[in-house]
Amino acid sequence: DIQMTQSPSSLSASVGDRVTITCRTSQSISNSLNWYQQKPGKAPKLLIYAASNLQTGVPSRFSGSGSGTDFTLTISSLQPDDFATYCCHQTYITPWTFGQGTKVEIK
Amino acid sequence: VQLVQSGAEVKKPGESLRISCKGSGYSFTNYWISWVRLMPGKGLEWMGRLEPSDSYINYSPSFQGHVTISPDKSISTAYLQWSSLKASDTAIYYCARHSGTSWYMDVWGQGTTVTVSS
Repeated sequence: DIQMTQSPSSLSASVGDRVTITCRTSQSISNSLNWYQQKPGKAPKLLIYAASNLQTGVPSRFSGSGSGTDFTLTISSLQPDDFATYCCHQTYITPWTFGQGTKVEIK
Repeated sequence: VQLVQSGAEVKKPGESLRISCKGSGYSFTNYWISWVRLMPGKGLEWMGRLEPSDSYINYSPSFQGHVTISPDKSISTAYLQWSSLKASDTAIYYCARHSGTSWYMDVWGQGTTVTVSS
């Protein structure tokens, strides 16, 4: 199975901060990497697909980059609604795997 | 477009269970359905995927033999079932939609909480 390593596992930030989350995979997955946001008691929400494509309806402060084994999710200016857990997900090969998540908390 | 899952379940070890995921607002047979597990304090885990039009199913090896995924395309519904539950099956289970060419999951069900306890 492809292992997904996200960092950091948690972070504290303030509204307006720029936040960067990284995801590293155990083998190259081209651009088959998606990012989801999850809030307690809610289903995951797709933010970015195919590494850098913004899902319809997602604010433009979210962006994704990377290919191969190293990927990044960036929130350019953190908003109150963005405090949540973010996880990466590879669909290069089954079994699909997810990162363990990065919890973004209020500083 | 939505996926609506069946309600929370409380079961005893050894009991059987089937939970459902009903699609609406789109052509159910044009999209695959995956099931994803979220255990307390853990990350998301992909369990398997279903192609409703021909009932092709692809399981994660971690779940093969422990669960059964099936469709009923006549009512736009996918199922996840267990024949003998264990306490370790306690989790939230999500269904999610994805296309057969772009594998990202763009629509998710609200989740079904399954609690297995004696």
